[in-house]
Amino acid sequence: NAGVTQTPKFQVLKTGQSMTLQCAQDMNHNSMYWYRQDPGMGLRLIYYSASEGTTDKGEVPNGYNVSRLNKREFSLRLESAAPSQTSVYFCASSESEGYNEQFFGPGTRLTVL
Amino acid sequence: QKEVEQDPGPLSVPEGAIVSLNCTYSNSAFQYFMWYRQYSRKGPELLMYTYSSGNKEDGRFTAQVDKSSKYISLFIRDSQPSDSATYLCALSGTYKYIFGTGTRLKVLA
Repeated sequence: NAGVTQTPKFQVLKTGQSMTLQCAQDMNHNSMYWYRQDPGMGLRLIYYSASEGTTDKGEVPNGYNVSRLNKREFSLRLESAAPSQTSVYFCASSESEGYNEQFFGPGTRLTVL
Repeated sequence: QKEVEQDPGPLSVPEGAIVSLNCTYSNSAFQYFMWYRQYSRKGPELLMYTYSSGNKEDGRFTAQVDKSSKYISLFIRDSQPSDSATYLCALSGTYKYIFGTGTRLKVLA
């Protein structure tokens, strides 16, 4: 089992460009999450999907959109990238919402110039 | 006030030392308490998971929860250079799951 996979691993964008971060899990988990991690700020939840067909905003959703394509895949889109979105992005999944262990992908390092 | 507070470190200790990592929280609704370990340039991985107040031991690691003080701790005995990582506490309750900012630990050989 690959667990949680993310693509790409690294990306450099110019201000105003758009891109989609891809995430897939092979653990048959119902819930999936997108976080960003910045120095001194910890992991902050951007969006999550409690189950296939549902998505909800997290703590810092502005400037992002998500799509739960199917049970396995959850993508994060930046429509018009800004330097403030320079960060490391992690996708995670869990059996269900709430107290369950979250399994994380390896992360995407994004730089917006 | 932040819902969870964690000293960011960095914390440098010699090999073999006992390490104490801590978090405080403000919301008594949290019921589950976890510690994740994150190596450099990797995603976090669950290290310890506790539900009730008290201690839970797993090898060299002990997780301690004091719900009355809203204080959780992770102790590492006989620390090794391979323990060098960032340790994040995590708390969860019904429909809520939050992470501390993480404490960076370096164990010197």
